[in-house]
Amino acid sequence: EAGVVQSPRYKIIEKKQPVAFWCNPISGHNTLYWYRQNLGQGPELLIRYENEEAVDDSQLPKDRFSAERLKGVDSTLKIQPAELGDSAVYLCASSYTGVNTEAFFGQGTRLTVV
Amino acid sequence: KQEVTQIPAALSVPEGENLVLNCSFTDSAIYNLQWFRQDPGKGLTSLLLIQSSQREQTSGRLNASLDKSSGRSTLYIAASQPGDSATYLCAVDSGNTPLVFGKGTRLSVIA
Repeated sequence: EAGVVQSPRYKIIEKKQPVAFWCNPISGHNTLYWYRQNLGQGPELLIRYENEEAVDDSQLPKDRFSAERLKGVDSTLKIQPAELGDSAVYLCASSYTGVNTEAFFGQGTRLTVV
Repeated sequence: KQEVTQIPAALSVPEGENLVLNCSFTDSAIYNLQWFRQDPGKGLTSLLLIQSSQREQTSGRLNASLDKSSGRSTLYIAASQPGDSATYLCAVDSGNTPLVFGKGTRLSVIA
């Protein structure tokens, strides 16, 4: 069974440029998460989807970040324009819907904004 | 607001030693607790999930315990190997809230 797939693995961009990340969750997982992990910190949730609906986006900086999950499968996370402080690892995770479901993470995208 | 703390922040042990990693959380109203492993530059690999009704879970050389009332969990690694070197993260699931992670314990096992 394929795990959570993310691309690209690495991205270097200049500040004020746009950037997009893509995630393909594990087949059958209705819940999809985007997390951001700063160096030396644990991941922090940006947005959570149940199927195609964003059910928790309270931590998403909506002035520059956007996300979508069309058809309730793949998802993209976009930053426009990027700032120096956005440099981090962006992790996608998926799980079955419900309590006590294990979350599985992708390899992450390491973003460097210069 | 749930807060998760992991102690120690870093640990270095010789190969073959048994070791314990600690995780504490402030709100005991949880559904489950997960332990993850993260290798440098990689994503998170789920190791163990303990439901709130359980006391422990075992997988190979790993044993995780949960004391929900005191807000503590431990990850016990038996007979450590250099391949165990990684950062270990615990995360708490409190229901309709996102997983709350600790900052992790960076483990180095010296051959």
